[in-house]
Amino acid sequence: GAVVSQHPSRVICKSGTSVKIECRSLDFQATTMFWYRQFPKQSLMLMATSNEGSKATYEQGVEKDKFLINHASLTLSTLTVTSAHPEDSSFYICSARDLRGGQGDTQYFGPGTRLTVL
Amino acid sequence: GQNIDQPTEMTATEGAIVQINCTYQTSGFNGLFWYQQHAGEAPTFLSYNVLDGLEEKGRFSSFLSRSKGYSYLLLKELQMKDSASYLCAPMNSGGYQKVTFGTGTKLQVIP
Repeated sequence: GAVVSQHPSRVICKSGTSVKIECRSLDFQATTMFWYRQFPKQSLMLMATSNEGSKATYEQGVEKDKFLINHASLTLSTLTVTSAHPEDSSFYICSARDLRGGQGDTQYFGPGTRLTVL
Repeated sequence: GQNIDQPTEMTATEGAIVQINCTYQTSGFNGLFWYQQHAGEAPTFLSYNVLDGLEEKGRFSSFLSRSKGYSYLLLKELQMKDSASYLCAPMNSGGYQKVTFGTGTKLQVIP
């Protein structure tokens, strides 16, 4: 299957700082990527849809000024958590859809980034 | 919006067969994914169904009935490593075709 990478895999930061998370599709182009957040023992919650060359589409309740998304190319999307606070501590996961023929529609996830805000 | 219903927990014996059911309601439907998620890890893709019927892939099979809003994941010859959460995730047909996740079914395989 297709490969999606995320960097960093784990980050610890102080309250008030900003953290950037990168999501890359390694062997396919993804015009659309998705950012999810998952708190312990809860389901994945879609935060926003990242679109190459245009603004991200945020889900209701997600602050666009706090979670900045930039889809700079067909293989890279970044999520920046600005002025992070302890309640932002979570598991952030990106995904990308592989629409190459022969496999149908398949959405692959990156390995996730565990953010801890002190 | 979307409403997804699957059992919270299941227990099965190593070597056995287990079926995890999922019912869903969506405002528009464009297929359904099943993912496996081990604790502390990101989900891994298992299957995608868009047409009615059974898709078989090794020990894992997935079934879809669009008219009933129903899907199941069938795991055969269970192994201890199959202990994980299994996520049923329908995709809607509008806009950017968002995928919505339920809380998943936590499967425990016992010896």
